[in-house]
Amino acid sequence: GDSVTQMEGPVTLSEEACLTINCTYTATGYPSLFWYVQYPGEGLQLLLKATKADDKGSNKGFEATYRKETTSFHLEKGSVQVSDSAVYFCALWAQGGSEKLVFGKGTKLTVNP
Amino acid sequence: GAGVSQSPSNKVTEKGKDVELRCDPISGHTALYWYRQSLGQGLEFLIYFQGNSAPDKSGLPSDRFSAERTGGSVSTLTIQRTQQEDSAVYLCASSYRGREQYFGPGTRLTVT
Repeated sequence: GDSVTQMEGPVTLSEEACLTINCTYTATGYPSLFWYVQYPGEGLQLLLKATKADDKGSNKGFEATYRKETTSFHLEKGSVQVSDSAVYFCALWAQGGSEKLVFGKGTKLTVNP
Repeated sequence: GAGVSQSPSNKVTEKGKDVELRCDPISGHTALYWYRQSLGQGLEFLIYFQGNSAPDKSGLPSDRFSAERTGGSVSTLTIQRTQQEDSAVYLCASSYRGREQYFGPGTRLTVT
């Protein structure tokens, strides 16, 4: 079945450090890929998405590129802020199969001033 | 516009009692999903509605769990005879025609 594997963390960085959270997937066909973020005490928010190979999703300084050849969708940010502290979830949606999102286990990021 | 809303935000119940959790999706969203978030299991899919029908119930963990959706809008997730392992945050999401899912704030269920 479809699955998502992401770096589990926790990850602790200093402000302005570079961030990479690895995400790889297994799916039949051509899934859409997402990063969701959950800030402390809040619900899940869509951070960015990509729907086909080589697409780059970006938002709030975060980027992720859909790499079909490596089945990856790594999340990157060049300079993190304290306000980026949250749990990040990689997810896939496989069109034509089950309509559900399949999530990775989440990566907790803490950014210290 | 209004996002996905869920009620109650918190629910504490005694083991063996029944509970109902409610979800109001974004207006016009045809698809509605229930997920469960717990410490040990991460985010688990429970059930998916397209309109009022549920083509995929594969994630419901036991027959104590059921859900319905009426008028293509509000959905209720019912857990009968609650057990301590049912303690989790129950998340509802909605989407329009298979596009990205928008999540509600969740209902935190604690079974004592």
